[in-house]
Amino acid sequence: DGGITQSPKYLFRKEGQNVTLSCEQNLNHDAMYWYRQDPGQGLRLIYYSQIVNDFQKGDIAEGYSVSREKKESFPLTVTSAQKNPTAFYLCASSKGPRQGLYTGELFFGEGSRLTVL
Amino acid sequence: ILNVEQSPQSLHVQEGDSTNFTCSFPSSNFYALHWYRWETAKSPEALFVMTLNGDEKKKGRISATLNTKEGYSYLYIKGSQPEDSATYLCAFDSGTYKYIFGTGTRLKVLA
Repeated sequence: DGGITQSPKYLFRKEGQNVTLSCEQNLNHDAMYWYRQDPGQGLRLIYYSQIVNDFQKGDIAEGYSVSREKKESFPLTVTSAQKNPTAFYLCASSKGPRQGLYTGELFFGEGSRLTVL
Repeated sequence: ILNVEQSPQSLHVQEGDSTNFTCSFPSSNFYALHWYRWETAKSPEALFVMTLNGDEKKKGRISATLNTKEGYSYLYIKGSQPEDSATYLCAFDSGTYKYIFGTGTRLKVLA
């Protein structure tokens, strides 16, 4: 089945440590995204990538880094510079540029919950 | 900063009741309005992507309408069932890759 796989589902980190969240898709989608969810807030965009070897900052990129070396993979690193990293993280993908009838629908993983101890 | 608002934040309905939620979004730079259903412990799934003013879409007992001039969309569920219990998200799409999500409406259908 095609889809998006995020791992790990749960992760605990000590303050000062970097941690990397994995996101893999087998949908052959060009675009991939990382969102963060906090209680009482909508999903906020951290980074997105339109195509391999390219990525752009979203609204809350500070303290995070990403790479896009392969079409299928878009890992997110939460660095020690991120002041409040405890949150739920969602990865998503979409086909890419709007062409024809394509409407930009997002496909999501099941998320990773990061807790900083 | 563009804002997307959803109301109510949460609601409980009895099985068989019909219900509706609202998503308010900016009326400028509109490209599409997305609705997603997010069940607990699962991934959000797209319900509708609406692009035209006056558009109405339907999937089973769920339907949605769109008014781009005044910046709102309604999601309706007819004859709610326990399996409809989920958080319903809307997202404003300006044609870029930077969708703006509302905080969601959490629906609980009581059997």
